[in-house]
Amino acid sequence: ETGVTQTPRHLVMGMTNKKSLKCEQHLGHNAMYWYKQSAKKPLELMFVYSLEERVENNSVPSRFSPECPNSSHLFLHLHTLQPEDSALYLCASSQEAGDLLYEQYFGPGTRLTVT
Amino acid sequence: KNQVEQSPQSLIILEGKNCTLQCNYTVSPFSNLRWYKQDTGRGPVSLTIMTFSENTKSNGRYTATLDADTKQSSLHITASQLSDSASYICVVSAGSASKIIFGSGTRLSIRP
Repeated sequence: ETGVTQTPRHLVMGMTNKKSLKCEQHLGHNAMYWYKQSAKKPLELMFVYSLEERVENNSVPSRFSPECPNSSHLFLHLHTLQPEDSALYLCASSQEAGDLLYEQYFGPGTRLTVT
Repeated sequence: KNQVEQSPQSLIILEGKNCTLQCNYTVSPFSNLRWYKQDTGRGPVSLTIMTFSENTKSNGRYTATLDADTKQSSLHITASQLSDSASYICVVSAGSASKIIFGSGTRLSIRP
């Protein structure tokens, strides 16, 4: 185990539903990340938090809303999603936010299907 | 435009054989590069990090190389095992969290 857990592991939701993804890290890290991984495409960085403050927002649609109540927990609130939002959503943490010198530890991901 | 290209997209080899995965990047300025292994249904796990001054680094049966002049990196796997079946992702950094560029990965399958 990497020390980063994500729930749920699988989620099926309709386009009118509201759901939340949860991520928890047990590594004492200060930075947390949300990524989207679609089939045969590179990981796409969605949000970066450092010490509970959002430091990066990569032009993500407003139907995705992140929340970081403390340095150990990260949420991704979902509402009125589109079928093209179906993907694997990965959470990661690192000691600090920055470049690759700070290794990112990934959770197992949430497989999201939007119907 | 910052890009990371990996080749081949997929590869099938027999157990016990060696293989080399390629990564070409156009990221600038270059800060460092990581190779990740992603098993099916799991998140990526770092295999190694390469900084500008490093040419080669080994981690068990995995050996990564970096040529900063040609902007190429490779990951060589020796004496492959069935557990090496996974996607291998090359990631290059230009120095900040928002300037980390992921490749699409190489899907490696090891056949018994």
